[in-house]
Amino acid sequence: DVKVTQSSRYLVKRTGEKVFLECVQDMDHENMFWYRQDPGLGLRLIYFSYDVKMKEKGDIPEGYSVSREKKERFSLILESASTNQTSMYLCASSFHGVTDNQPQHFGDGTRLSIL
Amino acid sequence: AQKVTQAQTEISVVEKEDVTLDCVYETRDTTYYLFWYKQPPSGELVFLIRRNSFDEQNEISGRYSWNFQKSTSSFNFTITASQVVDSAVYFCALSERIQGAQKLVFGQGTRLTINP
Repeated sequence: DVKVTQSSRYLVKRTGEKVFLECVQDMDHENMFWYRQDPGLGLRLIYFSYDVKMKEKGDIPEGYSVSREKKERFSLILESASTNQTSMYLCASSFHGVTDNQPQHFGDGTRLSIL
Repeated sequence: AQKVTQAQTEISVVEKEDVTLDCVYETRDTTYYLFWYKQPPSGELVFLIRRNSFDEQNEISGRYSWNFQKSTSSFNFTITASQVVDSAVYFCALSERIQGAQKLVFGQGTRLTINP
């Protein structure tokens, strides 16, 4: 079974802090993704990566950055946390399908509160 | 732009009833994929099904069935004889291929509650 592990289920931080959310997958997937989930808005893509050291902006990258130094690990960084970044954050990974779109596999999520 | 609409925000039914979750999508791509995911109270999204735009055959898996109609841009999901364990938030998603990776555009989700 594919395992996507997010480092924390719940996290509380203060405004202005630098926050790191870590995600590790054990299936040698090329693609990794960070989403945030808010009520009534579904999941929105923040950043994704299709290879080590590669990153692409998603739909809502402002206020975030990412790092992918190793294939199995994809980190989401909130440079200076703000209260409007309080949300559920979900990490996902997938194979790089050449001829079809492989399903994404998700972690359990991190519920982040910024006070 | 890609868009997925799940018009039903919340649905509540009694156990053993059949229930259909609606999904309507917009895309200009000729080749695309549609997905359904389930998010139980524990939080993780569980992959349920993937459908290629060229394959309009309906699919059945146990109590679950999916109706894909390209003419109406819909990909609806039906649970037959619902059970309490089916209670979850269900997301429909549409794929967009960018830089060799598959980007998913999600609908807003439908919260399904099955009452005993």
